Amino acid sequence: DGGITQSPKYLFRKEGQNVTLSCEQNLNHDAMYWYRQDPGQGLRLIYYSQIVNDFQKGDIAEGYSVSREKKESFPLTVTSAQKNPTAFYLCASSIEYRDSNQPQHFGDGTRLSIL
Amino acid sequence: GQNIDQPTEMTATEGAIVQINCTYQTSGFNGLFWYQQHAGEAPTFLSYNVLDGLEEKGRFSSFLSRSKGYSYLLLKELQMKDSASYLCAVRFGYSSASKIIFGSGTRLSIRP
Repeated sequence: DGGITQSPKYLFRKEGQNVTLSCEQNLNHDAMYWYRQDPGQGLRLIYYSQIVNDFQKGDIAEGYSVSREKKESFPLTVTSAQKNPTAFYLCASSIEYRDSNQPQHFGDGTRLSIL
Repeated sequence: GQNIDQPTEMTATEGAIVQINCTYQTSGFNGLFWYQQHAGEAPTFLSYNVLDGLEEKGRFSSFLSRSKGYSYLLLKELQMKDSASYLCAVRFGYSSASKIIFGSGTRLSIRP
């Protein structure tokens, strides 16, 4: 079945440590996204990629980095510069960025906590 | 700004009807999505509106008024499994410069 796979489901980070969250899709979608969700708040966009080898900052990119070397993969690194990383991270994809009536498909999320 | 406003919480009774409202600023509007999200899970797509009027999909319907910057999601014949958060998301702008903004979500609780 086609879909988006995020791993791991739960992740713990020590102070000063970088961690990478995996996101893989086999939907042949061009566009991919990373969101952060905090309790009582909406999804906030961290980074997005309209096409392979291209990505742009979202609204809260500070302390995060991404790469898009392959169409199906869009890993997110939470760096030590991100001072409040505890959150639920959601990866999404869509057929293309510009096609306005196509919904985003979401992965099951990764819950990141500080030790 | 491009704030999306939804009620934080709502409660309804099994078998009843509930309407979840969403308001947004109209400038640059280019489509509105509704998603359902069960606790700790991925959001799943429910509906899309870009023209005024009502879109019906089984027990769920979504309405849009572009001039008023207003949408609602209508859930009929409520079931316990409908207990979830409902996210309103609006696309602002066009083409590669467009941006999707999510509301904070409405947490719907269904009581027997």
